[in-house]
Amino acid sequence: EVQLVESGGGLVQPGGSLRLSCAASGFTVSSDYMNWVRQAPGKGLEWVSVIHSGGATYYADSVKGRFTISRDNSKNTVYLQMNSLRAEDTAVYYCGRHDWLDPWGQGTLVTVSS
Amino acid sequence: QLVLTQSPSASASLGASVKLTCTLSSGHNNYAIAWHQQQPEKGPRFLMMFNSDGSHYKGDGIPDRFSGSTSGAERYLTISSLQSEDEADYYCQTWDTGIGVFGGGTKLTVL
Repeated sequence: EVQLVESGGGLVQPGGSLRLSCAASGFTVSSDYMNWVRQAPGKGLEWVSVIHSGGATYYADSVKGRFTISRDNSKNTVYLQMNSLRAEDTAVYYCGRHDWLDPWGQGTLVTVSS
Repeated sequence: QLVLTQSPSASASLGASVKLTCTLSSGHNNYAIAWHQQQPEKGPRFLMMFNSDGSHYKGDGIPDRFSGSTSGAERYLTISSLQSEDEADYYCQTWDTGIGVFGGGTKLTVL
């Protein structure tokens, strides 16, 4: 069974950093697109970043230069390193497999507040 | 820049059918999209992806009541025999030169 489990969320002060993890099972993260998507409280879905099987990475303009997506093939895990966090980064962060986000993880909450 | 447009809300009665629309911005008629469902207080779930030629695939366990169709720049999600658990937000999603794009979502109310 294909499964994704996010972790690493929490409360962080503005300007701080956090690293999210997305542990995969049932498939190999290096063989597929892996995405991060977020949802601010009461808002819609916002795509954040993707890492392709070949290693290419892309970012939404709202996080470019602050967030970095990466993966550890030995741990079958994808990461999202988030630096210079702002209040507007407060959201539930989900990872999703493949271009079509099939499946999604259950999400991890990031709160940026002083 | 590609934009996906969805109506903010829709409603239909229990047992009836409803057709949700996702419109691709001009010049992007041939783009494939995916539909995702988000029930209240839950994470999103992949429903199906749909190509402009009508080819598609569904996520695991998605009932036959959920179907897709296309016409020009519009992509449709039809839900038949509406059930209470279909009350949810529905999002369409696609790609634009390596960048992911979501529509604003449609909140479906089952009356």
